[in-house]
Amino acid sequence: QQQVKQSPQSLIVQKGGISIINCAYENTAFDYFPWYQQFPGKGPALLIAIRPDVSEKKEGRFTISFNKSAKQFSLHIMDSQPGDSATYFCAASPIPMNRDDKIIFGKGTRLHILP
Amino acid sequence: NAGVMQNPRHLVRRRGQEARLRCSPMKGHSHVYWYRQLPEEGLKFMVYLQKENIIDESGMPKERFSAEFPKEGPSILRIQQVVRGDSAAYFCASSKGQGHEQFFGPGTRLTVL
Repeated sequence: QQQVKQSPQSLIVQKGGISIINCAYENTAFDYFPWYQQFPGKGPALLIAIRPDVSEKKEGRFTISFNKSAKQFSLHIMDSQPGDSATYFCAASPIPMNRDDKIIFGKGTRLHILP
Repeated sequence: NAGVMQNPRHLVRRRGQEARLRCSPMKGHSHVYWYRQLPEEGLKFMVYLQKENIIDESGMPKERFSAEFPKEGPSILRIQQVVRGDSAAYFCASSKGQGHEQFFGPGTRLTVL
């Protein structure tokens, strides 16, 4: 119940295309859904996050879509660029977090944008 | 304004040796989290600490692994008698408080020969 399932494991998209990464969760106590971007040799960095009171959040070319009833959320990267090539992690946690709560990460999607 | 700092960035140890990984949180952050990342895997939570306190160590192996965050100085993740299976990237994150955004360091890549 603590898992966050992420797919696909890897993704190749042509430059200018739309990259879509999907995540699903079980725990209805999860209330905060961040996405992290990680470049090779670097630590993950927060990209964009959503709370379930909205169904969509957009920041530049990055959009999170959230379906509370299906317990699914996805990241869309519009006009994908070679510089977007990285590993993307979805995550989930309760808000506020109690002592034993933690951020649960998906296994990651390795995105490669073809030039 | 420096971010989270981790050192060393790369660490090579032989089986049976000890590994010490250090993490200096961002200025103003008093909460530190350690994660382990295996190839093709996500980030696995290991331990959550505040200054001089271990809050949650539910993700830490029961043996050989320990963590501390002293009043002064960096947080330390210590792995005794390392084995090949300990080879991984270890990331530290810090935050202002529980529930606040976590900022990650660049990681320490441990290789056990």
